[in-house]
Amino acid sequence: EVQLVESGGGLVQPGRSLKLSCLASGFTFSNYGMNWIRQAPGKGLEWVASISSSSSYIYYADTVKGRFTISRDNAKNTLYLQMTSLRSEDTALYYCARTGLDYWGQGVMVTVSS
Amino acid sequence: DIQMTQSPSSLPASLGDRVTITCRASQDIGNYLRWFQQKPGKSPRLMIYGATNLAAGVPSRFSGSRSGSDYSLTISSLESEDMADYYCLQSKESPFTFGSGTKLEIK
Repeated sequence: EVQLVESGGGLVQPGRSLKLSCLASGFTFSNYGMNWIRQAPGKGLEWVASISSSSSYIYYADTVKGRFTISRDNAKNTLYLQMTSLRSEDTALYYCARTGLDYWGQGVMVTVSS
Repeated sequence: DIQMTQSPSSLPASLGDRVTITCRASQDIGNYLRWFQQKPGKSPRLMIYGATNLAAGVPSRFSGSRSGSDYSLTISSLESEDMADYYCLQSKESPFTFGSGTKLEIK
């Protein structure tokens, strides 16, 4: 069974940093690209970043480019999202999803507030 | 960036109705179009990929179609479990962009 489990969320002050993790199981992680997608409270879905299976190709939304870094450790079956210079508008539920977006995690909440 | 204009934003409908949700792409995206269903408090679920292909486990009352730059999700006979938010997504090029969503609710 494919499982994606996010962790690392929480309450953080504006301007600070936070690193999210997504632990994958039930499939060969190193064969799949991965994505981060977020959803602000009561709002729609927003694609954040994508990374290819070998980390050769990485893409970001304009709203996070230069502040967020997507990475992965295929030996640990784990996807990461390093978030820096956080803003109130980054407050959202962050989902990791496999390429094709056929499997999603349950999401992890990030709240940016003083 | 490619814009996805989704309509309607809200769709009151009755059980058994045939309903259609549409997304219009601002540029050519070919068939790089997916549809997702999201119920309250749940993660999105892939319903349609490649504009017209039913994802695994999705009931056959759901279908996807394309006419030029217009993409549609149709439910042939609405059931209570279909009440949810629906989103389209273009994955032709980065940045991938979602439609603004459609809330399907009971009339």
